[in-house]
Amino acid sequence: NAGVTQTPKFHILKTGQSMTLQCAQDMNHGYLSWYRQDPGMGLRRIHYSVAAGITDKGEVPDGYNVSRSNTEDFPLRLESAAPSQTSVYFCASRPKTGVNSYEQYFGPGTRLTVT
Amino acid sequence: EDQVTQSPEALRLQEGESSSLNCSYTVSGLRGLFWYRQDPGKGPEFLFTLYSAGEEKEKERLKATLTKKESFLHITAPKPEDSATYLCAVHRSSNTGKLIFGQGTTLQVKP
Repeated sequence: NAGVTQTPKFHILKTGQSMTLQCAQDMNHGYLSWYRQDPGMGLRRIHYSVAAGITDKGEVPDGYNVSRSNTEDFPLRLESAAPSQTSVYFCASRPKTGVNSYEQYFGPGTRLTVT
Repeated sequence: EDQVTQSPEALRLQEGESSSLNCSYTVSGLRGLFWYRQDPGKGPEFLFTLYSAGEEKEKERLKATLTKKESFLHITAPKPEDSATYLCAVHRSSNTGKLIFGQGTTLQVKP
C-alpha cells in the first residue's frame, strides 16, 4: 500500500491563479481531511469528507473547495489564490469504523507558495 | 474553548540524556490523545493513541502516558535519529473527527 499520496510536492502560484492539489489513499479509508500547517499556528483542518459524495467545512474553509466522487480521491481546489494561502497542505485519512478509527494517517504534503 | 499546549517549544539533548515532552489539554469529552512525529519536509507520522487516564504506550525509546489534564512523551536514552518535531493532538466527542493540534516540540539530539 502506498498509503496517502499527494501531488504536487511543491508549487508556486501567482495571486488570482487557480490550482488543484491532489490527494489519494489506497487503504480503503472512508474519512479524508485536508489540513494546512503554518508556523506558530499548528495544523488546522480546511475541509473533510466522511464518504464519497459527502463533504463539509473545517475550521478554515474560505478560499478552498473540495469534492469527493469516490473513496480514493479527495482533491482540494483553490479557485483564486491569495498570498495568505501560502502554506504546507496535508491530506489525512482514517478508517470510518473500527478500534483504530480515530487514528489519522497523513500524506507527505504539498508546499504551496502564492506570490 | 478546546486547547492543546505543548512544552517546551524546543529541546536540545545530548545522546543518551533522557527527558520528557509535555502536552496539556483542555477539551470536553476526550475521545483520544495522539502523538505524531514529524520530520522536516514530511507529513506527521502516527506514533501513539491514548484513550483514558492512566494508559501508557511504548515504542522503542518512546513512552507516552496520559492523565486527565496532560500527556507526557518520555524519551529514554535518545539517539540523533530521534531528532524531529513531536506533535500532540486531541479528538473530542461529537466533532466529526476534528483533531486539535498543539504547536509541537522540536527535539534535537546531539551525538
